Amino acid sequence: GDSVTQMEGPVTLSEEAFLTINCTYTATGYPSLFWYVQYPGEGLQLLLKATKADDKGSNKGFEATYRKETTSFHLEKGSVQVSDSAVYFCALIFSGGYNKLIFGAGTRLAVHP
Amino acid sequence: DGGITQSPKYLFRKEGQNVTLSCEQNLNHDAMYWYRQDPGQGLRLIYYSQIVNDFQKGDIAEGYSVSREKKESFPLTVTSAQKNPTAFYLCASSSRDSLNEKLFFGSGTQLSVL
Repeated sequence: GDSVTQMEGPVTLSEEAFLTINCTYTATGYPSLFWYVQYPGEGLQLLLKATKADDKGSNKGFEATYRKETTSFHLEKGSVQVSDSAVYFCALIFSGGYNKLIFGAGTRLAVHP
Repeated sequence: DGGITQSPKYLFRKEGQNVTLSCEQNLNHDAMYWYRQDPGQGLRLIYYSQIVNDFQKGDIAEGYSVSREKKESFPLTVTSAQKNPTAFYLCASSSRDSLNEKLFFGSGTQLSVL
């Protein structure tokens, strides 16, 4: 079945370090891909998305490129801040029908000053 | 401000008790969803509703029930048949106009068993 696999956390970084959180997916078709972020005690917020191969989603300094050949959608940021500490979820969805987002297990990021 | 409101933030259930989690949205969204979040397992879909008076089971519906009598409300009941109810529950909604691609989430309810 369709699934999303993320790197296990926690990921611990110092402020201004480079961030990569790996995400790969298994899908029978060509889904749209998303990164959601969850701050402590809150719900999920959409961070960025890409709807077709080679699209790059970007927001708040975060980027991810839809790579069909490697079925990946890795999240990157050049210089993290303490305020980026959160849990990050990779997800996929197929257009049409209802919004069944399939989520990865989440990766916790802790950024220290 | 528009958004999704979940209540209560924390809920405790006794053995054999049914409890109901509230979810209200004022975004005029047609579709609403309930997800369960367990540590290390991501989010799993419990129930969803695309329109008033209609809802469908998700991947883990056993032990749960829902209703959709009003567009803005989608309460979730955790029944005594759910043997492992301790989890963080998230409600979400979306508009058909968004091409079914963007979900708005509430801030969640943490349910624990006494």
